[in-house]
Amino acid sequence: DAMVIQNPRYQVTQFGKPVTLSCSQTLNHNVMYWYQQKSSQAPKLLFHYYDKDFNNEADTPDNFQSRRPNTSFCFLDIRSPGLGDAAMYLCATSRDGPGRRGSYEQYFGPGTRLTVT
Amino acid sequence: GNSVTQMEGPVTLSEEAFLTINCTYTATGYPSLFWYVQYPGEGLQLLLKATKADDKGSNKGFEATYRKETTSFHLEKGSVQVSDSAVYFCALSGRNNNDMRFGAGTRLTVKP
Repeated sequence: DAMVIQNPRYQVTQFGKPVTLSCSQTLNHNVMYWYQQKSSQAPKLLFHYYDKDFNNEADTPDNFQSRRPNTSFCFLDIRSPGLGDAAMYLCATSRDGPGRRGSYEQYFGPGTRLTVT
Repeated sequence: GNSVTQMEGPVTLSEEAFLTINCTYTATGYPSLFWYVQYPGEGLQLLLKATKADDKGSNKGFEATYRKETTSFHLEKGSVQVSDSAVYFCALSGRNNNDMRFGAGTRLTVKP
């Protein structure tokens, strides 16, 4: 089945120690997103890639970076995790089409729960 | 800007009860509307969607109608099951997919 895969499902890192979360997709979608979701809250968009074009949200801290080496893979790098970065990180994909009407749904991976000790 | 407001939870129902979760939106133009469901420890799954006024999205017994006159997209199910216990998010997408806006989520617990 076509899907969005995130690894690992659970990640523990130390305060200030860089960590990388990964996402892969078999849907061949051209748009990939990273969201941060804290407990009992809505997902918050950090950034997205439209093909290779990186789009950062204005309020995303510089501590968060992303890489997309090819269509299938996207990485979230947290350079110096703080206690406030503990959250669920969700990767999502969508396709886009002529006119970018926005009617295409996003497909989410299962998420990576990050703990910072 | 675009935004979504959904009823606060938590909502607790007995099995086979009728469910309504209210969702209203503010948007320019003609957004697409979605309901996503998140089970414990999982990512979000698309439950249903509607892309134009008066469209009805439906899936697994859930349904929602895109009402432009009341700017609403309320989620309903006639008879809930224990397995429907989850958090439900209303969302809208504007002209671009990166413009997805989520409501705060409503936690539903269904008791046997």
